[in-house]
Amino acid sequence: QVQLVESGGGVVQPGKSLRLSCAGSGFTFSHYGFHWVRQAPGRGLEWVGDIWNHGRNAYYADSVKGRFTISRDNSKNTLYLQMNSLRVEDTAVYFCATDAAVGRPQAWGQGTLVIVSS
Amino acid sequence: DIQMTQSPSSLSASVGDRVTITCQASQDINNYLNWYQQKPGKAPKLLIYDASNLETGVPSRFSGSGSGTDFTFTISSVQPEDFATYYCQHFDSLPVLTFGGGTKVDI
Repeated sequence: QVQLVESGGGVVQPGKSLRLSCAGSGFTFSHYGFHWVRQAPGRGLEWVGDIWNHGRNAYYADSVKGRFTISRDNSKNTLYLQMNSLRVEDTAVYFCATDAAVGRPQAWGQGTLVIVSS
Repeated sequence: DIQMTQSPSSLSASVGDRVTITCQASQDINNYLNWYQQKPGKAPKLLIYDASNLETGVPSRFSGSGSGTDFTFTISSVQPEDFATYYCQHFDSLPVLTFGGGTKVDI
């Protein structure tokens, strides 16, 4: 069955960088686009960005544009979220999700917690 | 940017009640709207896509309707396992996604 497993979360100081990974299995990874969605503690869902199946197109929320980069390695069935210049307000659980069709996150990982704190 | 306004932000219901949640877009979004359920500590689960289509495996007591700017999500007879937070989500052609603020359904 489809499985997505995020990793790489942790505690990081403001201004620093962190890279999250999302490993996929149980499906043909290269056929799918992916989303990153985050959820701050006690808050709602916020879309972070997405990447097409071939990896040549990625789109971002205004709140992370210029600081975060989404990439993928289809040979490793892995999606990445490079987060630079982290801010306290980036503290959240970060989920990756497959895109079943344009704009339809379908299968989700369990999430990884990122805490930005001095 | 399109804004998605979900209401109410919370509601209380009893088992067997009919529950309705609305989502209003700040401009016409056709039927580009999905609905998710999220339980505490868990990832969201897709329930309804393209405003009114039931995702495979989702019970038929869940339904969605609407087009344009006004959308409705209904649980026809709420069950104990349905107590959760529900989100609407708009998408455009890129896609760029926008989530509503969420509706917490509790007992």
